[in-house]
Amino acid sequence: AQSVAQPEDQVNVAEGNPLTVKCTYSVSGNPYLFWYVQYPNRGLQFLLKYITGDNLVKGSYGFEAEFNKSQTSFHLKKPSALVSDSALYFCAVGAGTALIFGKGTTLSVSS
Amino acid sequence: SAVISQKPSRDICQRGTSLTIQCQVDSQVTMMFWYRQQPGQSLTLIATANQGSEATYESGFVIDKFPISRPNLTFSTLTVSNMSPEDSSIYLCSIRQDGELSYGYTFGSGTRLTVV
Repeated sequence: AQSVAQPEDQVNVAEGNPLTVKCTYSVSGNPYLFWYVQYPNRGLQFLLKYITGDNLVKGSYGFEAEFNKSQTSFHLKKPSALVSDSALYFCAVGAGTALIFGKGTTLSVSS
Repeated sequence: SAVISQKPSRDICQRGTSLTIQCQVDSQVTMMFWYRQQPGQSLTLIATANQGSEATYESGFVIDKFPISRPNLTFSTLTVSNMSPEDSSIYLCSIRQDGELSYGYTFGSGTRLTVV
C-alpha cells in the first residue's frame, strides 16, 4: 500500500534560517510526490511536485524539495525562512488516482 | 488550472440532520474526490466520485453515511447524513487534471462543519 510519513509534528526555525520539513514515502512503482501548504482557515495550496526528471524540484514561494530514491525521501526546503511561512505543511503521494497525505507538519517561524 | 467553487464554506448543524456540500468546477474533469480533515489531523480520502456511476468509497466510509452524487463532469455533491458531533470536520473536494507529461490536483476551499 502507498503511504507517506512526516516524522515531525512541528518544526521551529528562526526567520532567515534555512528550513527543512521531512517526508518519506512508500510506494510500489514510480512515486508521484507533492507538497501542499495550509494556512489557518484557508484551503490547501499547491507548492510543488515531483513526477519525473530532475531530483531537485523548485516550487512556489521559494520552496524546493529534493527527491532521493535511495532514501525514499522528499524533504521540503527553503534557504531562508519567513515568518509568513508559518503554516501546516502536507506531503502527499499519488496512489492510483487519488492523493494520500501524510499527517502534516506545523512550521513555526519566529522573528 | 481549473477553479473549484465549494459551498457552503461553513455551517453549524444540529445532530441528526444532514448537510449537502456542493463542488462546482469551471471545466470538465474526469477525476473528482472528497476528503475529510478532522480537527488537528490530516486529510483522509472519503471516496472517488464517479460520473454516471456509484462512488468508490475508502475503507471506513459508507454510502449510507456519505452519499455522493456526480451527475456530470463539472459537479458533485457530498451529503453528510444523520450527523453527530464526531462529524465535525473540514470537508474538501479535489480534482485531478492530467497533462501530457504529468498531472496535478486542485482543492476546493473546504466546508467547515460543526455539529452541535
